[in-house]
Amino acid sequence: DIQMTQSPSSLSASVGDRVTITCRASQSIGTYLNWYQQKPGKAPNLLIYAASSLQSGVPSRFSGSGSGTDFTLTISSLQPADFATYYCQQSYNTPRTFGQGTKLEIK
Amino acid sequence: QVQLVQSGAEVKKPGASVKVSCKTSGYTFTSYYMHWVRQAPGQGLEWMGIINPSGGSTNYAQKFQGRVTMTRDTSTSTVYMELSSLRSEDTAVYYCARGPDSRIVGATIDFDYWGQGTLVTVSS
Repeated sequence: DIQMTQSPSSLSASVGDRVTITCRASQSIGTYLNWYQQKPGKAPNLLIYAASSLQSGVPSRFSGSGSGTDFTLTISSLQPADFATYYCQQSYNTPRTFGQGTKLEIK
Repeated sequence: QVQLVQSGAEVKKPGASVKVSCKTSGYTFTSYYMHWVRQAPGQGLEWMGIINPSGGSTNYAQKFQGRVTMTRDTSTSTVYMELSSLRSEDTAVYYCARGPDSRIVGATIDFDYWGQGTLVTVSS
């Protein structure tokens, strides 16, 4: 199974900050990497697919980059609605695997 | 618009089985795979398996092999996930999530729509 490792596990930031979350795969997955946002009591929401493609309806302050084993999610200017937990996930093969999550909290 | 609507919360005793439904609308049911994912309280996301609604073929995570069965009903555009021999560690929210377009080799959009989740509580 492909292991997905996110860092950091938690992060405190302020409105307006630029934030980067990283995700590393245990083997090369090309660009088969997705990012999700999850708020308490809600289903995850797809933000970025294929490593860098913005899902329809997602604000442009979210961006993704990377290929192979190393990926990043960047939020260019944090908004109050962005405080949530973020997950990366590989769609290269089955079993699909997720990172452990990064909880983004208000400083 | 695409919608995935799941069945309601369940409370089960250890050793019992639970069957969760996911009724879809707004797209061609047989053209997209469907995943099942679960999330234990305060924990991360765990993939359980995938079904191809077109032919009914499945691929389960090894952890759940022998305990999980995913089926579909094309007449109602509904997929089902049944988990047997329940134990307390199976207490979680179970989600269905739309998978890739089965007509496209190497399709990259995955998990683009999710059900609202079904809480399954296993307790004696």
